[in-house]
Amino acid sequence: EAQVTQNPRYLITVTGKKLTVTCSQNMNHEYMSWYRQDPGLGLRQIYYSMNVEVTDKGDVPEGYKVSRKEKRNFPLILESPSPNQTSLYFCASSNRGPGNEQFFGPGTRLTVL
Amino acid sequence: DAKTTQPPSMDCAEGRAANLPCNHSTISGNEYVYWYRQIHSQGPQYIIHGLKNNETNEMASLIITEDRKSSTLILPHATLRDTAVYYCIVRPRVIIGTSYGKLTFGQGTILTVHP
Repeated sequence: EAQVTQNPRYLITVTGKKLTVTCSQNMNHEYMSWYRQDPGLGLRQIYYSMNVEVTDKGDVPEGYKVSRKEKRNFPLILESPSPNQTSLYFCASSNRGPGNEQFFGPGTRLTVL
Repeated sequence: DAKTTQPPSMDCAEGRAANLPCNHSTISGNEYVYWYRQIHSQGPQYIIHGLKNNETNEMASLIITEDRKSSTLILPHATLRDTAVYYCIVRPRVIIGTSYGKLTFGQGTILTVHP
């Protein structure tokens, strides 16, 4: 089944403790992206990647890192999480090209205490 | 990317057509109109997209005005499961450097389908 998976789905952590949220897709998509969703603010793009070893900032990249060493994986790294990073996170992927839909993962709900 | 404007909420009776408008008056010639929806806190789901012609698929129809400054998503026979937030997004057609990757969601329209 074609899908985007994220792990963990739920995470409660403390300020400053490094964490990684994994994202993996099995559709051989070149493009991958991370979003965060907060009440009243909608979905905002954090980082995206056009291909392996190619990443770029979205609208809200501060406090996050990403890497794209393999085509299927695009982990989101929070080196020193803070409470304002408490949010619902979504990973997405698609083929390159203007007419391609993005497939979204199920979401990761992160709480930073 | 062009900005989109959608009504914050709409209601629709089950079995009736739901018509969701979107204004994108600053859209450029190289931008597509996309529609996604998000049910509760699940990941957004692609519905349909178009450039300038009307489009139809198994989920919905997309009507784009001739000047491309607005569009309407039509769910022909809304069901309770169509209750969701619907997002209208414009997206570049041509890949220019890495600008293609930037996808901007607005506030969307909360569609409530009632019995």
